[in-house]
Amino acid sequence: DSGVTQTPKHLITATGQRVTLRCSPRSGDLSVYWYQQSLDQGLQFLIQYYNGEERAKGNILERFSAQQFPDLHSELNLSSLELGDSALYFCASSSRGGRGNEQFFGPGTRLTVL
Amino acid sequence: TQLLEQSPQFLSIQEGENLTVYCNSSSVFSSLQWYRQEPGEGPVLLVTVVTGGEVKKLKRLTFQFGDARKDSSLHITAAQPGDTGLYLCAGEDDMRFGAGTRLTVKP
Repeated sequence: DSGVTQTPKHLITATGQRVTLRCSPRSGDLSVYWYQQSLDQGLQFLIQYYNGEERAKGNILERFSAQQFPDLHSELNLSSLELGDSALYFCASSSRGGRGNEQFFGPGTRLTVL
Repeated sequence: TQLLEQSPQFLSIQEGENLTVYCNSSSVFSSLQWYRQEPGEGPVLLVTVVTGGEVKKLKRLTFQFGDARKDSSLHITAAQPGDTGLYLCAGEDDMRFGAGTRLTVKP
């Protein structure tokens, strides 16, 4: 158990819909990272927050957005969903704000868009 | 953008065999991390290598960082079925992951 929690574990929705994925970092960690993992593209870095502020941006679509709240939990919002958005979405946390710090991953949310 | 190429993409071996997987780039990394991911779970950090030429051992796993800090290798001695998983390398600077090596160790 990494100490990072993600909800929900599974999510099934339809094209055009909007969903919110939630992540709680390890106790004491200030950084939260979001990743998308699909079969054909591997693990793709989406965005990082550090202590409530956006720190780094990766391959995140404009239809996607995220935020980190004062209690340090984070949410990833996915809107106007397309079939290609079906993937595993992972959250990771670390204690520091650098991009490549050692990260602890949650169990992931499996999103299926029908 | 630092591209990480991992090889081989797939590897299937018998229990007890040795293997080496590679992570290569044309760019220099400040540090590089190796993770293992099992089906349905998130990646788990195995090691971080920082110094060129560095060798780190984790039980039967030996990690090496190239002298020029552009490449790394993971060697597993006497592989066991529990070593089965997706092995990923990641560079520090932009958190880009390689596509991984999917290892299967058959009993």
